Amino acid sequence: DQQVKQNSPSLSVQEGRISILNCDYTNSMFDYFLWYKKYPAEGPTFLISISSIKDKNEDGRFTVFLNKSAKHLSLHIVPSQPGDSAVYFCAASDQGGADGLTFGKGTHLIIQP
Amino acid sequence: KAGVTQTPRYLIKTRGQQVTLSCSPISGHRSVSWYQQTPGQGLQFLFEYFSETQRNKGNFPGRFSGRQFSNSRSEMNVSTLELGDSALYLCASSLGTVLVGYTFGSGTRLTVV
Repeated sequence: DQQVKQNSPSLSVQEGRISILNCDYTNSMFDYFLWYKKYPAEGPTFLISISSIKDKNEDGRFTVFLNKSAKHLSLHIVPSQPGDSAVYFCAASDQGGADGLTFGKGTHLIIQP
Repeated sequence: KAGVTQTPRYLIKTRGQQVTLSCSPISGHRSVSWYQQTPGQGLQFLFEYFSETQRNKGNFPGRFSGRQFSNSRSEMNVSTLELGDSALYLCASSLGTVLVGYTFGSGTRLTVV
């Protein structure tokens, strides 16, 4: 049973426009949510995180929104750049981290010139 | 500063053999976690070590084990290899708090034949 779901395996966005990546979760015990970016042949790179007490966190071009009642979070990238083309993983953890990070299956973001 | 270093990068083993993978975390990071990535299951948490003690463990059989040394370097061992153990094994280190994210290594690609 997938506790973290990224329902779009891929997403194509034009350079300069906004990229919106979505993630749903089922475990109400999750308190922390993170986004990672992964290029081929490299490990995932941490992008941004949010705790359940907040509904928005910004870092430069990246903003994460959390809707706890809907158990949904999204990552906005504005403006999208060619270097943003990668696989993006949503991950979640409870406060104690007993199960480590629970990852979604990823969304392959392709930025079109 | 140096990132998370995993050795070897690639490994081919025969079914029934055992394998040991190594991970050197970022200097000063005392938490080391291991993840398995496969096309079917995605990224799954194996275990986490903190100050030489296993703090958390994922849902994997006892054939998967690990340890952490006093210098925070970690090894994971898989005994009696099965074909399904073929995967990318990723190590991640952190200062210990989830929200600052984990830094991943590039992984060890294990192929069991």
